[in-house]
Amino acid sequence: QKEVEQNSGPLSVPEGAIASLNCTYSDRGSQSFFWYRQYSGKSPELIMFIYSNGDKEDGRFTAQLNKASQYVSLLIRDSQPSDSATYLCAVNPPLYTSGTYKYIFGTGTRLKVLA
Amino acid sequence: KAGVTQTPRYLIKTRGQQVTLSCSPISGHRSVSWYQQTPGQGLQFLFEYFSETQRNKGNFPGRFSGRQFSNSRSEMNVSTLELGDSALYLCASSLRGTEQFFGPGTRLTVL
Repeated sequence: QKEVEQNSGPLSVPEGAIASLNCTYSDRGSQSFFWYRQYSGKSPELIMFIYSNGDKEDGRFTAQLNKASQYVSLLIRDSQPSDSATYLCAVNPPLYTSGTYKYIFGTGTRLKVLA
Repeated sequence: KAGVTQTPRYLIKTRGQQVTLSCSPISGHRSVSWYQQTPGQGLQFLFEYFSETQRNKGNFPGRFSGRQFSNSRSEMNVSTLELGDSALYLCASSLRGTEQFFGPGTRLTVL
């Protein structure tokens, strides 16, 4: 089992719809969770982070964390063609289980917003 | 505030050579992390430096090394290059080691 799993996609949604991206993680003691957006040929850009159970909203983006079920999701409301990118989930596991790792990234979900 | 800068942006080397990549973090950030990104493996953590000390290290061979200077700039060195080292090398800076901000990356091609 991979430590951080994401569906590779592509996830296709029509313009104006809600895009829902999911990420599961294996280490129950993980502390903090991040969503990055990466356009083709570019470096990852931090768009959201969440540390506590529940929802965190920032503009059109909402991050949802459920530690009991070990998943974190990203909702993008009113999706635009410019949101088309790969979305990477990153998890910060606790040092007592991770040893040396600090951040573990999923392989990303490719989102395509259709005009 | 200027972002993270990385030099060079592109490199072509041959097997057996060594390479040094440079990263300048956001002003005031003391944590610098390095990642390797390949299509097959995704983003993999190499190491993190904080105040000139290596604080964390990923599962890469000893050919990969790094250091951080007193001004927080960091360098990463790869010796005895192999074809499989071809990748995008990303540097990320952080104020405390939490939220990380990535530079544009150095694309290394090993022939």
